[in-house]
Amino acid sequence: AQRVTQPEKLLSVFKGAPVELKCNYSYSGSPELFWYVQYSRQRLQLLLRHISRESIKGFTADLNKGETSFHLKKPFAQEEDSAMYYCALKRGNTDKLIFGTGTRLQVFP
Amino acid sequence: DVKVTQSSRYLVKRTGEKVFLECVQDMDHENMFWYRQDPGLGLRLIYFSYDVKMKEKGDIPEGYSVSREKKERFSLILESASTNQTSMYLCASSSHNSVNTIYFGEGSWLTVV
Repeated sequence: AQRVTQPEKLLSVFKGAPVELKCNYSYSGSPELFWYVQYSRQRLQLLLRHISRESIKGFTADLNKGETSFHLKKPFAQEEDSAMYYCALKRGNTDKLIFGTGTRLQVFP
Repeated sequence: DVKVTQSSRYLVKRTGEKVFLECVQDMDHENMFWYRQDPGLGLRLIYFSYDVKMKEKGDIPEGYSVSREKKERFSLILESASTNQTSMYLCASSSHNSVNTIYFGEGSWLTVV
């Protein structure tokens, strides 16, 4: 079965601390994974995708096929990183996404 | 600038009412989606359309239907609203050639009383 698991509902850190938001997936084929972010009162937007191997706003995510994980990391959290983060898996050859349940990141000053 | 617009941001409807949620995109995208967003459940796909008049059921289509008469517009219909359909509804769109970028609307918060 295709599934995305985000085990933490809430992650609280202080400004400047490292952040890791966990994402594990279940998929039989070659996965395409994404992180989406929703800031307060804003629309859901793409943060990064694994095929681009990019760093956006200091965040990176590496696909680990052995551990079936796609954890989102940032070495030094900022207050403006506070938001809801969703990990998502693309289904087959369509743009339909399976989303995880989301992790709320709170960064305290 | 890319835009997906959901015309109603907040609605309150009574149980049994027929509800229409409208979504318009101005990017000439082929794909359009309706998701439901609930705390602790994330986003769940209700319906998907890959072209005008074409639609596919998502993971939770029960109690919903959709209409795509024009490329830019995708409507979600609740035939007879129930209290368990109280939720945030998100519309999204993407192009076949978008390299997987999906654009979301701001959401429609529906309360059924």
